[in-house]
Amino acid sequence: AQSVTQLDSHVSVSEGTPVLLRCNYSSSYSPSLFWYVQHPNKGLQLLLKYTSAATLVKGINGFEAEFKKSETSFHLTKPSAHMSDAAEYFCVVSARSGSARQLTFGSGTQLTVLP
Amino acid sequence: DTAVSQTPKYLVTQMGNDKSIKCEQNLGHDTMYWYKQDSKKFLKIMFSYNNKELIINETVPNRFSPKSPDKAHLNLHINSLELGDSAVYFCASSPGRSLVNTEAFFGQGTRLTVV
Repeated sequence: AQSVTQLDSHVSVSEGTPVLLRCNYSSSYSPSLFWYVQHPNKGLQLLLKYTSAATLVKGINGFEAEFKKSETSFHLTKPSAHMSDAAEYFCVVSARSGSARQLTFGSGTQLTVLP
Repeated sequence: DTAVSQTPKYLVTQMGNDKSIKCEQNLGHDTMYWYKQDSKKFLKIMFSYNNKELIINETVPNRFSPKSPDKAHLNLHINSLELGDSAVYFCASSPGRSLVNTEAFFGQGTRLTVV
């Protein structure tokens, strides 16, 4: 079975400081991994995806994530937080379900950015 | 030029009623999904259709019935609504059924409140 664990339900940082949102996954197959962001009362937007190419993946808005197979991790980072980064972040693994794959979501990390 | 659009955005209804949520995608994708996001923001797949064929049907009460008249539309009909059905329902689509090397595109969500 595939699963995703987001290690922190809430992360609070000051504007201009680095962001680290942690994610560990479990998968029987070579996984596809994603980070989605959900701003308040908004839909889900893709930040970045890992699809077995480069292990360091760059996404939108200055975010990046590194796939580490030995640690089964896919942590999301950003060098300098912006007020507009405050949102809910979901780590997601693409997992097989019968003849198809489906997305399995982590429980989410609420990022707060303090002025 | 919205990619995945859901209607309505908000739905407030009484227990016991029957309601439908509509979803349309103009991306030319073959696969569409319904996800449910509970009050703790946890997202779980409900259904997936590929070219109008049901391919994923998670453990969902049979009061929930998806209908796909064509591959660009996936509607969700809910009979005899219960308080526990209150949630945000997200429609999504993806090219193909594999979700390998590709992500899902999400609609803005429908916030259903059952009173």
